[in-house]
Amino acid sequence: TQLLEQSPQFLSIQEGENLTVYCNSSSVFSSLQWYRQEPGEGPVLLVTVVTGGEVKKLKRLTFQFGDARKDSSLHITAAQTGDTGLYLCAGALTNFGNEKLTFGTGTRLTIIP
Amino acid sequence: AAGVIQSPRHLIKEKRETATLKCYPIPRHDTVYWYQQGPGQDPQFLISFYEKMQSDKGSIPDRFSAQQFSDYHSELNMSSLELGDSALYFCASSPTPGTGGPVSYNEQFFGPGTRLTVL
Repeated sequence: TQLLEQSPQFLSIQEGENLTVYCNSSSVFSSLQWYRQEPGEGPVLLVTVVTGGEVKKLKRLTFQFGDARKDSSLHITAAQTGDTGLYLCAGALTNFGNEKLTFGTGTRLTIIP
Repeated sequence: AAGVIQSPRHLIKEKRETATLKCYPIPRHDTVYWYQQGPGQDPQFLISFYEKMQSDKGSIPDRFSAQQFSDYHSELNMSSLELGDSALYFCASSPTPGTGGPVSYNEQFFGPGTRLTVL
């Protein structure tokens, strides 16, 4: 069973539209990170959220950590072709540090020009 | 800013051969993690090291071993390679907890990966 479920699995939208990707779990996470991965490359860290209810903005990207720290969302405003990629959420169950990350199932986003 | 370095970037081996993957963490990062990502899959944790000692172990086959050296670089040794070992192998590094600021917990920075193909 997958600890972190992402939805949708695939998303294809027109440039300029808005979108939201969800990352859900039945477990409580101490911290949660969002990564973007290009084909054949390593995941690139976008943001880390650690507090329940926390909202972080990174230009057109808005990340939210659920109040209960079991879920998170990534909202992209006015999507651009450069946003195309695989988006992965990844969580750590404790805040002891040096802990492995458990990755979500991934959302493959395609922005159509 | 310096990033995680992995070598080689691509590796082609025959079945039953051995392979060694190398990882050089970001300077002053003392924890290294290895992940395996199969085609269309999310990364799966293999093993991690903190201060040259194994700190956690995931779904790493007994045919694989790893270590972290005094300069903090790490090597993943893979023996008796099987077709199913073909995957992207990522190394990630993180700083000592608390040294990177209040949100440094578990922030891992990934290398570009090594694509291993077993024929």
